[in-house]
Amino acid sequence: GNSVTQMEGPVTLSEEAFLTINCTYTATGYPSLFWYVQYPGEGLQLLLKATKADDKGSNKGFEATYRKETTSFHLEKGSVQVSDSAVYFCALSDLDNAGNMLTFGGGTRLMVKP
Amino acid sequence: DTEVTQTPKHLVMGMTNKKSLKCEQHMGHRAMYWYKQKAKKPPELMFVYSYEKLSINESVPSRFSPECPNSSLLNLHLHALQPEDSALYLCASSPRSSGGAEETQYFGPGTRLLVL
Repeated sequence: GNSVTQMEGPVTLSEEAFLTINCTYTATGYPSLFWYVQYPGEGLQLLLKATKADDKGSNKGFEATYRKETTSFHLEKGSVQVSDSAVYFCALSDLDNAGNMLTFGGGTRLMVKP
Repeated sequence: DTEVTQTPKHLVMGMTNKKSLKCEQHMGHRAMYWYKQKAKKPPELMFVYSYEKLSINESVPSRFSPECPNSSLLNLHLHALQPEDSALYLCASSPRSSGGAEETQYFGPGTRLLVL
């Protein structure tokens, strides 16, 4: 079956530090890959996505590249802000006749200190 | 516009109450989803509707009853819940386009449910 593994948090960084959150996956087909962000007390927001190998998703200074050879989709940001403090979920989607199934990683909490 | 709305934002109910959660989207999406999320955990899929028909029920107890009155609306009827059902309930939708095209799920803000 499909699975997603993320680095465990919390990750604590100072403002303007470089961020990497590791994500690796196992899938039987050719999934699409996503990063969702959940701010405290809110729902999930789509941060970025990539639909095929070597695609790079980017949004709000965050980037992730779909690496088929290493089955990875690591999230990076060059300079984090306090407002980036949230929980980040890596996910893959597998479309079948029943619907679009998302498999989530366990989530990584990011805390950015001023 | 990628907005999914959910009401109410918060709900407190007793174990003998009947209540409903509502979800709405106007993006023309034809798949809608209910998830349950406990603290510090990822969302867990409960139900999937595809073209207004229930396509997946992840062995959810019958005290949760989904309903999809039309392509824009999704309800979750709650009856005789237990305290362990307290959680954040998230709704999502996706295009469900034909031809196996990539699907992206868009989530609502959630309803935070407390069962006393």
